[in-house]
Amino acid sequence: QLQLQESGPGLVKPSETLSLTCSVSGGSITSNYYWVWLRQPPGKGLEWIASIGYSGNDYYNPSLKSRATISIDTSKNQFSLRVNFISAADTALYYCVRSRGIPQEDWNFDLWGRGTLVTVSS
Amino acid sequence: EIVLTQSPGTLSLSPGEGASLSCRASQSLSSRYLAWYQQKPGQAPRLLIYGASNRATGIPDRFSGSGSGTDFTLTISRLEPEDFVLYFCQQYDTKPLTFGGGTKVEI
Repeated sequence: QLQLQESGPGLVKPSETLSLTCSVSGGSITSNYYWVWLRQPPGKGLEWIASIGYSGNDYYNPSLKSRATISIDTSKNQFSLRVNFISAADTALYYCVRSRGIPQEDWNFDLWGRGTLVTVSS
Repeated sequence: EIVLTQSPGTLSLSPGEGASLSCRASQSLSSRYLAWYQQKPGQAPRLLIYGASNRATGIPDRFSGSGSGTDFTLTISRLEPEDFVLYFCQQYDTKPLTFGGGTKVEI
């Protein structure tokens, strides 16, 4: 059974770069899904950050103003997120998730990691 | 971007009662690309409904979705104790993909 597991630093200083990795186990990342990062600030709703297909086609939420970069490493069965110029507003629980499929009708999320909490503080 | 407004913010009901949760979009979702998720405390959300009215795998039939255009509803026909948690809607009609603020169903 496919599983997703996030890994990351937990605590990041303001203005630094956040790097997160999602490891995919129990199946191949080179399958017809989008691999996605979402986040949820404490006590708030969910925000879509970015999506990527196994061929590298990617999409971003403009709200992050080009600070985010999503990438995929098919040799390691992982995908990653980098966010530059981190601030307190980026403090959130970050989830890696999988879309139900590639067509737009499948851009909802049926498989989730447990999430990793990122706190931005000096 | 499409803003999703969920109402009410909190719904107070009793087990066995029915629940009706609303999700209103700031512009029409032309293809009913609307999903609902359930989130229990300390857990990741779980997909309940996609395409406005299709139940995801393993979801009990007491959960149903309806609506079109700008107005969508999640209905829980008979609340079980484990249903008293948080629910979100999500639109995937237009990028950026967006989520509603959530409705908490409480006892």
